[in-house]
Amino acid sequence: KAGVTQTPRYLIKTRGQQVTLSCSPISGHRSVSWYQQTPGQGLQFLFEYFSETQRNKGNFPGRFSGRQFSNSRSEMNVSTLELGDSALYLCASSLGQGGGETQYFGPGTRLLVL
Amino acid sequence: TQLLEQSPQFLSIQEGENLTVYCNSSSVFSSLQWYRQEPGEGPVLLVTVVTGGEVKKLKRLTFQFGDARKDSSLHITAAQPGDTGLYLCAGVRNSGYALNFGKGTSLLVT
Repeated sequence: KAGVTQTPRYLIKTRGQQVTLSCSPISGHRSVSWYQQTPGQGLQFLFEYFSETQRNKGNFPGRFSGRQFSNSRSEMNVSTLELGDSALYLCASSLGQGGGETQYFGPGTRLLVL
Repeated sequence: TQLLEQSPQFLSIQEGENLTVYCNSSSVFSSLQWYRQEPGEGPVLLVTVVTGGEVKKLKRLTFQFGDARKDSSLHITAAQPGDTGLYLCAGVRNSGYALNFGKGTSLLVT
């Protein structure tokens, strides 16, 4: 079974721009969660989508948004980029049966904001 | 404020040594997971513990969940260079769904 894939793997943007990241979950998984990983804050939960609906949301500003398509693929968008948005963005997929179930992570998209 | 505090933050040891990584919180968790992340990759689940006092063994790795379900530890026996990586604990609170991660322990075995 193919794992979670994320595109692009690396991205360089400048302040004020916007960016869209993509995540393809494991086949059959209906839940996709997004995390931001930085050396200072570690892994922080952004949001989770299940069956095209945002089911849970972390404590991030509205510049961070996402969506999920009918095939469970998900995209994350960050508008008006700030230097502090430089991070590794990870998505994880799961069956969606509830908290604590196994999440399978993709390799991440490393975003650098200049 | 970090919900899960991991210690130590960094650990550099020789092959064959034993080590313990701690994950502590003031909150109660319905379950707690340990992940290992290698450079350029996403975290990979090692184990999930759900019962207070539970001990799970995975070859040379021993995981323990505290009786009160507020803390956990990971003990590695006879560490090998292949154990090098970032070890993350993550928990789901009784009232929640989202995984809350610690900042991780970066382990280097040489």
